Amino acid sequence: GENVEQHPSTLSVQEGDSAVIKCTYSDSASNYFPWYKQELGKGPQLIIDIRSNVGEKKDQRIAVTLNKTAKHFSLHITETQPEDSAVYFCAASGTGFKTIFGAGTRLFVKA
Amino acid sequence: GAVVSQHPSRVICKSGTSVKIECRSLDFQATTMFWYRQFPKQSLMLMATSNEGSKATYEQGVEKDKFLINHASLTLSTLTVTSAHPEDSSFYICSARPGRRDEQYFGPGTRLTVT
Repeated sequence: GENVEQHPSTLSVQEGDSAVIKCTYSDSASNYFPWYKQELGKGPQLIIDIRSNVGEKKDQRIAVTLNKTAKHFSLHITETQPEDSAVYFCAASGTGFKTIFGAGTRLFVKA
Repeated sequence: GAVVSQHPSRVICKSGTSVKIECRSLDFQATTMFWYRQFPKQSLMLMATSNEGSKATYEQGVEKDKFLINHASLTLSTLTVTSAHPEDSSFYICSARPGRRDEQYFGPGTRLTVT
């Protein structure tokens, strides 16, 4: 079955710097890769997603890249702000099988 | 758009009692809803997948007689924790998938504490 690995588990950056979180997946049939942000005590919020027919997608300060050959995808947050501090989860899914989540990355943005 | 609500947000119950958690998609129809459990500082653990009008599919190790799931309409799914015990204390989160789309939208979660 699918397996998703996420790194790093914790990331601390200075306000204004960029943050990068990386994930790898194992099942080449996966074709949908969402990213979720979870604040303390709340449910995960979908912040950006990418499909396997696209290599990169950007939404303001957030971008996601996908390398299908290497089975890697990454989340890039530029000009980080204290309100970006949260736990971020990557995930992978495909037609007919369930979504598999990474273990999560705890991002701290220091003011 | 794509808002999912959960009720209650917090519940405390005594050991041996049952608790029902509701999950509603407010502005879309959800053919499929998912129930997750999350322990502190851990990822999401899928408990079951429910499709409207049919029986839920439970993940391995999840007791279907203990965690009863009903998905009676395209906007409502319920999770009932029966005969709750302290080890059932956790953060339960539902999500809903609009139609045949890939995206899942999560509810705000329910913190269950069993005393």
